Amino acid sequence: KAGVTQTPRYLIKTRGQQVTLSCSPISGHRSVSWYQQTPGQGLQFLFEYFSETQRNKGNFPGRFSGRQFSNSRSEMNVSTLELGDSALYLCASSQTWSLGQTTNEKLFFGSGTQLSVL
Amino acid sequence: DAKTTQPNSMESNEEEPVHLPCNHSTISGTDYIHWYRQLPSQGPEYVIHGLTSNVNNRMASLAIAEDRKSSTLILHRATLRDAAVYYCILRDQAGTALIFGKGTTLSVSS
Repeated sequence: KAGVTQTPRYLIKTRGQQVTLSCSPISGHRSVSWYQQTPGQGLQFLFEYFSETQRNKGNFPGRFSGRQFSNSRSEMNVSTLELGDSALYLCASSQTWSLGQTTNEKLFFGSGTQLSVL
Repeated sequence: DAKTTQPNSMESNEEEPVHLPCNHSTISGTDYIHWYRQLPSQGPEYVIHGLTSNVNNRMASLAIAEDRKSSTLILHRATLRDAAVYYCILRDQAGTALIFGKGTTLSVSS
């Protein structure tokens, strides 16, 4: 079974631009969540989608948004890029939606998209 | 905010057992204890999880204190490939996102 696929692997943008990152979950997984990883802040939760609906959101500005398609693939978008948005963006998939479900569900992470903002 | 406390770093020799501690004094009765690890240039990888009883799988063992305020991840025979950052995470009572702390950086020497 193929793992979580994130594209592109690397991306370089300039301040003020916008960017869209893509995530394809493991086949059969309906939940997709996104994390930002930086050396200073570590791994921080962005948002989670299940059945095309955002179920959970972290403490990030509105410039960060996402969506999920009917085939469970997900995209996240960052508008008006800032230097501080430079980070590794990780996507994770799981079979069930976390909130309201058993809390022992495990997540499967992709290798991430490394975004550099110049 | 992360609700677990782990040492910043630990060192081990190859083929020796490694005990990675985690304190979670404010754990609630419904919180599962999860462990993930992140190898260099990769996303986090699930290792093991448990609720009250000790757990074993092909990767590791998880020993949970009787009062559940601490736990220990045990790698029975460390290999060079086990060098990674290990995260101990409590799955929030509301079943929300994984909240990662700083983790423990494990170094393994040959």
